[in-house]
Parts: sequence; C-alpha cells; structure tokens
Amino acid sequence: EAGVAQSPRYKIIEKRQSVAFWCNPISGHATLYWYQQILGQGPKLLIQFQNNGVVDDSQLPKDRFSAERLKGVDSTLKIQPAKLEDSAVYLCASSSGVVQPQHFGDGTRLSIL
Amino acid sequence: RKEVEQDPGPFNVPEGATVAFNCTYSNSASQSFFWYRQDCRKEPKLLMSVYSSGNEDGRFTAQLNRASQYISLLIRDSKLSDSATYLCVVLGAGKSTFGDGTTLTVKP
Repeated sequence: EAGVAQSPRYKIIEKRQSVAFWCNPISGHATLYWYQQILGQGPKLLIQFQNNGVVDDSQLPKDRFSAERLKGVDSTLKIQPAKLEDSAVYLCASSSGVVQPQHFGDGTRLSIL
Repeated sequence: RKEVEQDPGPFNVPEGATVAFNCTYSNSASQSFFWYRQDCRKEPKLLMSVYSSGNEDGRFTAQLNRASQYISLLIRDSKLSDSATYLCVVLGAGKSTFGDGTTLTVKP
C-alpha cells in the first residue's frame, strides 16, 4: 500500500513570497490533515478535511494560509505571503476516519529567509 | 493550560531499564488515543493505539485512565533503538491534538 505522498521535500523562500505544498493521501482515506511542526514542539493541526469538507480549521491563520481538497483526494496548502515565523516542517497525514490512526507523509521542510 | 500535556524530559535511561511516560488531556469528550514515535528529522510513526482495557505490543504497554484523563506508555527492557521522541495524540469532537512529546535517550 502506497503511503502518504508529499512534495516538495524542501523549500527555501524569502519572506513575503508565496509557497504551495501538495499532498496525496493513502488511497481510500477520507480524512486528511495538515500540520505545522516547529522544532521542539509537537505537530500543530492547521486544517482537517473529511472528504472535501473542512472539519476543523480553527488554528489556520486564514489571513495568509489557505488549503483545499477539491475532489476529496489530494490537497494543497498555500502560504501567501510568508513570514519568518512560518519556518517549520509541514506534515500531511491521512486516516480512514476522524478517530482512526493517522499516517504521515515525509513532510516539507520550509525555510523563510 | 495546554489541551494535551507531556513531560518533555529528556529521559536518559540505561539499556534494559523500564521507563514510563504520561500524557494528560483536558477534553473529557476525547474518543481515541494513540502513541507515536518520531525520530530526529523524520515524520511521526504510529507506535500503538491506546484502549480502555490497556494493550500490549511486545515490550510496549499502553493504558488509558478516563477518570483521571491521562494515557501512559510503558517501555520494558529498553533498547538503544528506542531512543526517540514519543508523542501522544488525542482525537475527538472533530479535533486532533498532539502533545509536544517526551524525549527518550537509551544509553549503553
């Protein structure tokens, strides 16, 4: 079974630029999560989708972050404009249901200069 | 107060030791609980689910105490390869909340 696919693995941009991350979940997984993980901290949930609907986006900084999952399969997360404090690893995870175990992709390591 | 709290450690133990971690949560409506392991610069990987009756997987035992709102992870006969950060996650009411992790270093 193929795992969660994420791209790119690394991204370096300057502040105020835009960046987008892509995630393809495990086949058949209806629930998709985007997390931000800052060094030394646990993953912080940004947004959770159930199929193509949003379950929780209470911690998503909506003035600069956006995410979509239009066809209920893959998803993109965008940051525009980026700030220095957005430097982190962005993790995508998927699960077969909202209370089922999550499986993570390799993550995208974002550095803001 | 954070919704999910873990002792950050670090826990430094010798090989063969038994070590236990706790994770407390504040939302009594939480439904599912899991332990993950995260190696340096890697993604979190599922270690085990946590059931009300307690469950064991080899050297690892997980327990849930709903009355006191905590989960625990016990590692017996620690190996060098157990060195990692252990994260708990609490799911429920449409929310997924990770703790900040407990760092374990097992030394020869």
